[in-house]
Amino acid sequence: GDSVTQMEGPVTLSEEAFLTINCTYTATGYPSLFWYVQYPGEGLQLLLKATKADDKGSNKGFEATYRKETTSFHLEKGSVQVSDSAVYFCALRSGGYQKVTFGIGTKLQVIP
Amino acid sequence: EAGVTQFPSHSVIEKGQTVTLRCDPISGHDNLYWYRRVMGKEIKFLLHFVKESKQDESGMPNNRFLAERTGGTYSTLKVQPAELEDSGVYFCASSQDALAFVGETQYFGPGTRLLVL
Repeated sequence: GDSVTQMEGPVTLSEEAFLTINCTYTATGYPSLFWYVQYPGEGLQLLLKATKADDKGSNKGFEATYRKETTSFHLEKGSVQVSDSAVYFCALRSGGYQKVTFGIGTKLQVIP
Repeated sequence: EAGVTQFPSHSVIEKGQTVTLRCDPISGHDNLYWYRRVMGKEIKFLLHFVKESKQDESGMPNNRFLAERTGGTYSTLKVQPAELEDSGVYFCASSQDALAFVGETQYFGPGTRLLVL
């Protein structure tokens, strides 16, 4: 079945540091890939998505590129801020299915 | 436009009791999903409604869980009787089209934190 693997963390970075959260997946067909974010005390929000190979999703300075050859969708940001502290979930949705399959979530803490 | 709302935000109950969670999707969204995150684990799919019909309930853990969506609007998820392992955060999500394409966004609610003692 479908699965998503990501580092659990926590990841602690200083403000303005470079962020990478690795995400790899296993899926049938051609999935769409997503990054969701959960800020403290809030629900899940879609951060970015990519629906086909080589697509780059981007939002709020975050980027991720759909790499079919390596089955990866790593999240990056060039300069993190304290306000980026949250839990980040990599996820996928396979063709023909409606459910979203999530990774375990990576907690990011950014310190001033 | 109002987002997905869930009630209650928190619930603490004793083992053996019954709890009912409610989800109000975004108005006009045909698809409604329930997910659950047990502490330290992945967010797992529970079930999917298209309007008032259960499209996929393959993720429901056992028959102590009952989901309904009367009239195709809000949904309830009842746990009866609750067990310790049911503790976790229950998320509801909705999306617009009945024939949703694979890249369509699901909009999530804030979740209900359930603790069974």
